[in-house]
Amino acid sequence: GQNIDQPTEMTATEGAIVQINCTYQTSGFNGLFWYQQHAGEAPTFLSYNVLDGLEEKGRFSSFLSRSKGYSYLLLKELQMKDSASYLCAVTDSNYQLIWGAGTKLIIKP
Amino acid sequence: DAGITQSPRHKVTETGTPVTLRCHQTENHRYMYWYRQDPGHGLRLIHYSYGVKDTDKGEVSDGYSVSRSKTEDFLLTLESATSSQTSVYFCASTGGISDTEAFFGQGTRLTVV
Repeated sequence: GQNIDQPTEMTATEGAIVQINCTYQTSGFNGLFWYQQHAGEAPTFLSYNVLDGLEEKGRFSSFLSRSKGYSYLLLKELQMKDSASYLCAVTDSNYQLIWGAGTKLIIKP
Repeated sequence: DAGITQSPRHKVTETGTPVTLRCHQTENHRYMYWYRQDPGHGLRLIHYSYGVKDTDKGEVSDGYSVSRSKTEDFLLTLESATSSQTSVYFCASTGGISDTEAFFGQGTRLTVV
């Protein structure tokens, strides 16, 4: 079967750094997405990795290791508005998106 | 951003009644999806479409049907609503990066009483 694992919930402090991990086992791999979802809203695109390595976009970075089936999303200089759920999704060999259950990130002052 | 809209945004319905949710996209995306999102389960695929009149089942398709008569419109029907179908429903279409980046509608909160 296909599976994506993320921690259910994480807590971090405003101004700090947090790393959200995602491991996957899928039928093939054609890319990995990270989405942000605020409570009561739709998911919105954050980042995309298809090759190994780090992709940086402002305060957010995403890392991929295809050999390990592993990715992480790194959030720096945390702000209260970063409180949200973060969804990891993998595109499989059929170009279908497989979704993780999401990680709820709580930011404390 | 892709233009994708859902209607209605909120609905309360009675058990046993049929319900249709509508999704409209303006980006000419070929693929469209219906998901439900429940606490602890994340996004679960109900049905998807890969073209006009071309649809297929997802992992939680029982009790749901879909139709796509035009590229821009994708309808989800609950044939006889049950309390277990109380959920938030998201429509999405894919395009953008590698043609697999998902763009979501605002969601429909459905309550079956």
